Amino acid sequence: GENVEQHPSTLSVQEGDSAVIKCTYSDSASNYFPWYKQELGKRPQLIIDIRSNVGEKKDQRIAVTLNKTAKHFSLHITETQPEDSAVYFCAASGRAAGNKLTFGGGTRVLVKP
Amino acid sequence: DSGVTQTPKHLITATGQRVTLRCSPRSGDLSVYWYQQSLDQGLQFLIQYYNGEERAKGNILERFSAQQFPDLHSELNLSSLELGDSALYFCASSLDSREQPQHFGDGTRLSIL
Repeated sequence: GENVEQHPSTLSVQEGDSAVIKCTYSDSASNYFPWYKQELGKRPQLIIDIRSNVGEKKDQRIAVTLNKTAKHFSLHITETQPEDSAVYFCAASGRAAGNKLTFGGGTRVLVKP
Repeated sequence: DSGVTQTPKHLITATGQRVTLRCSPRSGDLSVYWYQQSLDQGLQFLIQYYNGEERAKGNILERFSAQQFPDLHSELNLSSLELGDSALYFCASSLDSREQPQHFGDGTRLSIL
């Protein structure tokens, strides 16, 4: 089955700096890659997603890139703000697996004011 | 508000007991997914239903079962509970069984004493 590795597990950045989280996946049949943000005690919230026919997608301060050949994808957050502090999860899914999400282990991001 | 409703929010029970967690998907969504989130295992896929039928299964224990009813709400039944079953249980829904965004409910926090 699919396996998703996520790095780093923790990330501390200064407010205004950029944050980058990287994920690799194992199943070449995966073709949908969402990113979720989870604040303490809350539900995972979808912040951006990308499909395998797209190399990059941007939404304001958040961008995601996908390299299908290398089987890795990354989340980029620019001009970080204290409210960006949370745990971020990458995930992968594909129709062959019934669209179930396989999650990475999460990255705890701390934005220092 | 994601539109996915989960009840109850909290559940405290003892080992050996049985509980039922309930999920109502977003209006119009046909697919329901159950995930377990524990500190040491991260977010793990349990089971998916699409329009009343089981579509995919993860590492769900035999003590756990689920179903999706004609009105599309779903229930996750956990029996012979063990201390290790303590976790956050999330339900998510998506439009169909293809690679679509999944939106999570607020979860049920299950504590086994």
